[in-house]
Amino acid sequence: QTVVTQEPSFSVSPGGTVTLTCGLTSGSVSTTFYPSWYQQTPGQAPHTLIYNTNTRSSGVPDRFSGSIIGNKAALTITGAQADDESDYYCILYMGGGISMFGGGTRLTVL
Amino acid sequence: EVQLVESGGGLVQPGGSLRLSCAASGFTFSDCWMTWVRQAPGKGLEWLATIKEDGSQKFYVDSVKGRFTISRDNAKNSVYLQMNSLKVEDAAVYYCARPRPGYYLDHWGRGILVTVS
Repeated sequence: QTVVTQEPSFSVSPGGTVTLTCGLTSGSVSTTFYPSWYQQTPGQAPHTLIYNTNTRSSGVPDRFSGSIIGNKAALTITGAQADDESDYYCILYMGGGISMFGGGTRLTVL
Repeated sequence: EVQLVESGGGLVQPGGSLRLSCAASGFTFSDCWMTWVRQAPGKGLEWLATIKEDGSQKFYVDSVKGRFTISRDNAKNSVYLQMNSLKVEDAAVYYCARPRPGYYLDHWGRGILVTVS
């Protein structure tokens, strides 16, 4: 069974740029998977960042951007801030009414 | 303002049943698909089930197919998750969320804790 993959952890320096990715164990991610991205801090519900590959959700700063890089969906944070330290999840639409989350990436800003 | 409020969680023994509810407000509920997502302690998010606006189509992740049932009552602006034959590994925070065209989730409830022990 195909699994959605994300880096388990990543670190970035304050002010730096980081790109998190969302791939598949079998096949390539394209816009037809409608990748979306979510930020979650401990004890809180997830918050929507990006949908339809690269559309920012209302109120999301433009330092968050989405794209396809190679065979994966990507979330890039430019000018990382301390409060960006969170867990980040992607969702891919697999077809037939089924969506799948990636395993999540824990981002550390230090 | 869109609000989703889950209820019905709690402690249940393995093999038992529980019914979660999600009360929606701030939007035309009968126009929207609805989804349940869960998160086991210290683990990632897992998409569980989605139901069409009129309840005519339902989709489930394999791990809960046959045990969990999603349903809705548009007159009550509510969506439900009936969970049967619960296992220890079903223990999680369960979130109600609203999917939008484009297959993303734009609003989430605060979640409700289910403990199976």
